Amino acid sequence: GAVVSQHPSWVICKSGTSVKIECRSLDFQATTMFWYRQFPKQSLMLMATSNEGSKATYEQGVEKDKFLINHASLTLSTLTVTSAHPEDSSFYICSAPVAGGTSFEQFFGPGTRLTVL
Amino acid sequence: DAKTTQPTSMDCAEGRAANLPCNHSTISGNEYVYWYRQIHSQGPQYIIHGLKNNETNEMASLIITEDRKSSTLILPHATLRDTAVYYCIVRGGTGTASKLTFGTGTRLQVTL
Repeated sequence: GAVVSQHPSWVICKSGTSVKIECRSLDFQATTMFWYRQFPKQSLMLMATSNEGSKATYEQGVEKDKFLINHASLTLSTLTVTSAHPEDSSFYICSAPVAGGTSFEQFFGPGTRLTVL
Repeated sequence: DAKTTQPTSMDCAEGRAANLPCNHSTISGNEYVYWYRQIHSQGPQYIIHGLKNNETNEMASLIITEDRKSSTLILPHATLRDTAVYYCIVRGGTGTASKLTFGTGTRLQVTL
């Protein structure tokens, strides 16, 4: 199957700093990527849809000025958590769809664990 | 997208078949049933999907009822490595922008 990577796999930062997380499709191109957030013992919550060459689409309740998304190429999307606070500590996961016949499979990255002190 | 209902947790003995049910009574005609699983602290892994016919791949089988209101994921010979949270997702559309909405899933514990 297709491979999606994320970097870094984990990061610890101080409150008030910004953190950038990269999501790459390694063996395919993705005009669309998705960013999810998962708190402990909870399910994945979609944050935003990243669109190559255009603005991201954010889900209701997600602050677009706090979670900056850039999809500058067909293989890379970045999520920047600006002015991070402890409540932003979470597991961030990206995914990218791959066409397969009449439907699409989504392949997920391994996730990035963010801890804000 | 249609909402799904899954049991919170299930246990299965290693080597036995694990049958994970999912109800999706409001599914519409063009919506697919997808199954993903998430092993602890990893990204979700695609397992299988189907529209109305039963499907089988190297990982699992998917049985969809004739009225499409429910489905069952079958892991034929569960191993300890199959311990994970399994998500049943119903999704419409075939475009790349068709997002996945995750419910609470079923936590499958495979035991010796």
